[in-house]
Amino acid sequence: QQQVKQSPQSLIVQKGGISIINCAYENTAFDYFPWYQQFPGKGPALLIAIRPDVSEKKEGRFTISFNKSAKQFSLHIMDSQPGDSATYFCAASKQTGANNLFFGTGTRLTVIP
Amino acid sequence: NAGVTQTPKFRVLKTGQSMTLLCAQDMNHEYMYWYRQDPGMGLRLIHYSVGEGTTAKGEVPDGYNVSRLKKQNFLLGLESAAPSQTSVYFCASRETSSKLFFGSGTQLSVL
Repeated sequence: QQQVKQSPQSLIVQKGGISIINCAYENTAFDYFPWYQQFPGKGPALLIAIRPDVSEKKEGRFTISFNKSAKQFSLHIMDSQPGDSATYFCAASKQTGANNLFFGTGTRLTVIP
Repeated sequence: NAGVTQTPKFRVLKTGQSMTLLCAQDMNHEYMYWYRQDPGMGLRLIHYSVGEGTTAKGEVPDGYNVSRLKKQNFLLGLESAAPSQTSVYFCASRETSSKLFFGSGTQLSVL
């Protein structure tokens, strides 16, 4: 059973446009929600993360929006660039114990010039 | 500072063969993880370790074994490889913060 559901599977955006990737979770015990970015042939790398005490977190062109009541969170990439073309994974975990991350299925983003 | 290093980067096995994947980290992290990545399924946790000498099962542990004899190393073993274990394997580590540091992966094909 997928703990974190992610959509869309793939996304094509024009340069300068907004990329939006959505995730949903069921386990209300999750209290840490990161996004990882992965380029071909590389391991995933932490992009940005949010905890449920805030509804939005922004770092440069990347913003996480978090809706605790709906158990949903999303990644917005403003002014998308060809260099943003990568696979993006949302994830969720509990901060206690082993803190194992459960990942979404990934979104392959392509930004066309 | 190498971070997390995985060896080998590529491997082809025949069904029934065994092999060991090595993960080494130089950040003195307590926690280490093995994930597999398959198309359309994201990253799934195989086994993890919360410290030297400890291991635990993740979401998809069947067919794999692990050992953490030294803090810096986390080994993933396949005793009798099956085609269903064809995948890209990632090792990761972290300290007390939640940020995971990943290696660059091992692409394994089982024929």
